[in-house]
Amino acid sequence: SAVISQKPSRDICQRGTSLTIQCQVDSQVTMMFWYRQQPGQSLTLIATANQGSEATYESGFVIDKFPISRPNLTFSTLTVSNMSPEDSSIYLCSAYSTGDYGYTFGSGTRLTVV
Amino acid sequence: TQLLEQSPQFLSIQEGENLTVYCNSSSVFSSLQWYRQEPGEGPVLLVTVVTGGEVKKLKRLTFQFGDARKDSSLHITAAQPGDTGLYLCAGAATDSWGKLQFGAGTQVVVTP
Repeated sequence: SAVISQKPSRDICQRGTSLTIQCQVDSQVTMMFWYRQQPGQSLTLIATANQGSEATYESGFVIDKFPISRPNLTFSTLTVSNMSPEDSSIYLCSAYSTGDYGYTFGSGTRLTVV
Repeated sequence: TQLLEQSPQFLSIQEGENLTVYCNSSSVFSSLQWYRQEPGEGPVLLVTVVTGGEVKKLKRLTFQFGDARKDSSLHITAAQPGDTGLYLCAGAATDSWGKLQFGAGTQVVVTP
């Protein structure tokens, strides 16, 4: 399966600022996704990162708040915009390839907004 | 949205005991996966089950997919402290284009 490098691993940010999280995969993958996870809880899908086009967002998540880019088949970014303390969470990217029922996850970005 | 109900939420057992975690849904999944996650890390895939009635074994872990592909279970035999972690089930619908629906997770603590 693919190996994902996600950075930063953690950050503490001031409210009102933005943070961009990067996700680099070591091989071309069909799909990339972004999830949010509160500590000790499950994962909630934010959006599907589409290569060369706008991301597909899940209910409750919007592009203005979480702009996503995927310029090629191995790289994606998620920006958390105009942050508030409620955005404090762990953000994870995931990669999926057709024919492989398994998925790979990055190690996550622990974000704290103060 | 297909809802995956995972139980129990928390499980604390002694080393050597057995445990079972359940994952249930009213919807059919094309595949179901189990992950273990440790603090500060992303989820790590343990197994993927695809066929109804399928049973997979991974050392002391046994995974079962229900005949109707709506439910699954994870059984750990003779648990060890190294089994401690957050266990997550996740299902993929046939038209989900790779998107996963996660259960709420089961925090397992195995004490020596």
